[in-house]
Amino acid sequence: EAEVAQSPRYKITEKSQAVAFWCDPISGHATLYWYRQILGQGPELLVQFQDESVVDDSQLPKDRFSAERLKGVDSTLKIQPAELGDSAMYLCASSLAEGKNEAFFGQGTRLTVV
Amino acid sequence: SQQGEEDPQALSIQEGENATMNCSYKTSINNLQWYRQNSGRGLVHLILIRSNEREKHSGRLRVTLDTSKKSSSLLITASRAADTASYFCATDQYEDMRFGAGTRLTVKP
Repeated sequence: EAEVAQSPRYKITEKSQAVAFWCDPISGHATLYWYRQILGQGPELLVQFQDESVVDDSQLPKDRFSAERLKGVDSTLKIQPAELGDSAMYLCASSLAEGKNEAFFGQGTRLTVV
Repeated sequence: SQQGEEDPQALSIQEGENATMNCSYKTSINNLQWYRQNSGRGLVHLILIRSNEREKHSGRLRVTLDTSKKSSSLLITASRAADTASYFCATDQYEDMRFGAGTRLTVKP
């Protein structure tokens, strides 16, 4: 069964360092989402791609976060510099179309900033 | 900002009982989805209901949607210990997918 792949599963980094997460969506899925989930809360949308284009990054802290999906397939989310408050689970999801179909989630990357 | 709000925040029941969770939202939607998340894992899609549908079933799950009240409910019948998880609703207000804070369900064996 096709899955959304994310790596790494766990990441510990020191504050002020750079960190990057990678996501490979299900083949053929045009829409890709990055979410941040703080423990005990719901996922918060950071950025949404349609193919290689960003369609919503209104909640992405652009002073330190960046995201790209260069060929409209896999995607990278970067944080530079990391802050203590960035400790969270980062989830990637993909779907066939924007908001109209079920989304498939990866297992997430658990980030701890020390 | 999050679109849906689940209620209650936490629910604890005995195995075999039914569990009902509610979701309220603020603006018009095209569809509403429910997801389950086991501790420390990714979310798993449960069911999608479109704005022109009022009720949908999938196995032991029953979802209702009342667009006039901007609310949805998820009913899990004959609950099992394996149903212990967090449940989230997601709406597509802006053609994206935004989640509420979730309901934490605990099913005691």
